[in-house]
Amino acid sequence: AAGVIQSPRHLIKEKRETATLKCYPIPRHDTVYWYQQGPGQDPQFLISFYEKMQSDKGSIPDRFSAQQFSDYHSELNMSSLELGDSALYFCASTIMGGVADTQYFGPGTRLTVL
Amino acid sequence: LAKTTQPISMDSYEGQEVNITCSHNNIATNDYITWYQQFPSQGPRFIIQGYKTKVTNEVASLFIPADRKSSTLSLPRVSLSDTAVYYCLVGPRGANNLFFGTGTRLTVIP
Repeated sequence: AAGVIQSPRHLIKEKRETATLKCYPIPRHDTVYWYQQGPGQDPQFLISFYEKMQSDKGSIPDRFSAQQFSDYHSELNMSSLELGDSALYFCASTIMGGVADTQYFGPGTRLTVL
Repeated sequence: LAKTTQPISMDSYEGQEVNITCSHNNIATNDYITWYQQFPSQGPRFIIQGYKTKVTNEVASLFIPADRKSSTLSLPRVSLSDTAVYYCLVGPRGANNLFFGTGTRLTVIP
């Protein structure tokens, strides 16, 4: 079965640079979530989109922005990167109102800021 | 969203049944209980969801007492590949995001 696709899988950036992470949800899923997981930490919700509109916002820094496009893929844009942004970034997708309300997570993008 | 409390870690031998209990004293009437499993450097994976009594699927069972203030995830006959972090989440269906508390790190020993 098709899964959530994230690209790139690994990314290395310098401080103050920008980064763009991409997420391709499971076909027919209309909702996308972004999570950040620092080393040894639990996943933290950043932001979510439903039908291309932002639906909820968590602990996302102002330096980050995201959007969902007409084909339902989503991009997380990160500017003025800091060392503390080094983390695994997960995207998850679901069908809002679907059975069991399950979120399906992608493999993650490991961002390293030097 | 209801706050959850789980043991930080558990060890078990292969072949044993493992029960992980989660406390959620402030669970609301419309809240569901969902468990996720996460392997190192991988995204969390849905295991099971329930509202009350008992739910069973091919992977695990979820026991929820009548007062719903706690729940127990039961993993039958664990193997080394079940070594992972297990998260208990409580919230209404249709919630826009998942709040992951501190999960339980299960280590299965040969």
